[in-house]
Amino acid sequence: QKEVEQNSGPLSVPEGAIASLNCTYSDRGSQSFFWYRQYSGKSPELIMSIYSNGDKEDGRFTAQLNKASQYVSLLIRDSQPSDSATYLCAGNNAGNMLTFGGGTRLMVKP
Amino acid sequence: NAGVMQNPRHLVRRRGQEARLRCSPMKGHSHVYWYRQLPEEGLKFMVYLQKENIIDESGMPKERFSAEFPKEGPSILRIQQVVRGDSAAYFCASSPGTAYQPQHFGDGTRLSIL
Repeated sequence: QKEVEQNSGPLSVPEGAIASLNCTYSDRGSQSFFWYRQYSGKSPELIMSIYSNGDKEDGRFTAQLNKASQYVSLLIRDSQPSDSATYLCAGNNAGNMLTFGGGTRLMVKP
Repeated sequence: NAGVMQNPRHLVRRRGQEARLRCSPMKGHSHVYWYRQLPEEGLKFMVYLQKENIIDESGMPKERFSAEFPKEGPSILRIQQVVRGDSAAYFCASSPGTAYQPQHFGDGTRLSIL
């Protein structure tokens, strides 16, 4: 069974700190990876996408991919209370279907 | 608003009734996906469609569920003879095409079965 695994949390960080969210996947055929943010009762919102090994930065967010270790991470710098949400990691193989992890709940405390 | 449009936002049905959920993809997107999120669970893929074609329905329950994306009009997810276990949030996503392009989600339909 092709799976994406995330620590469910909650991950609690103080305001202004770096939040580090991690994800592992089992399907070596996965070609692209995405991080979505989901507030309670809302729909998933795309935060970052990453396709090749290494780091990709966008504002306060950095996504990291290591295909050899089958590991994806998301760093959020200068965390704000408004970043408090559930973060979903998803992998996409050539079939276009997204396989989601269970999500990590992030709490940023003022 | 050029985003993915889903309606209705909330749908209440009694056991045994039919539920129809609609999704219009983002402008320029020809690929539509349906996902289900059960209470306190993760998002699970249900079906992937292009215009007039079901590409992958490996996540669809074998009975009572069907989906279509006609040449004209929105994609429809249809649930016949609903049961309490069908209560969930149903999200539609769309993308321009390939696996490298991200999927954008609509606001979802919250289905409640009485």
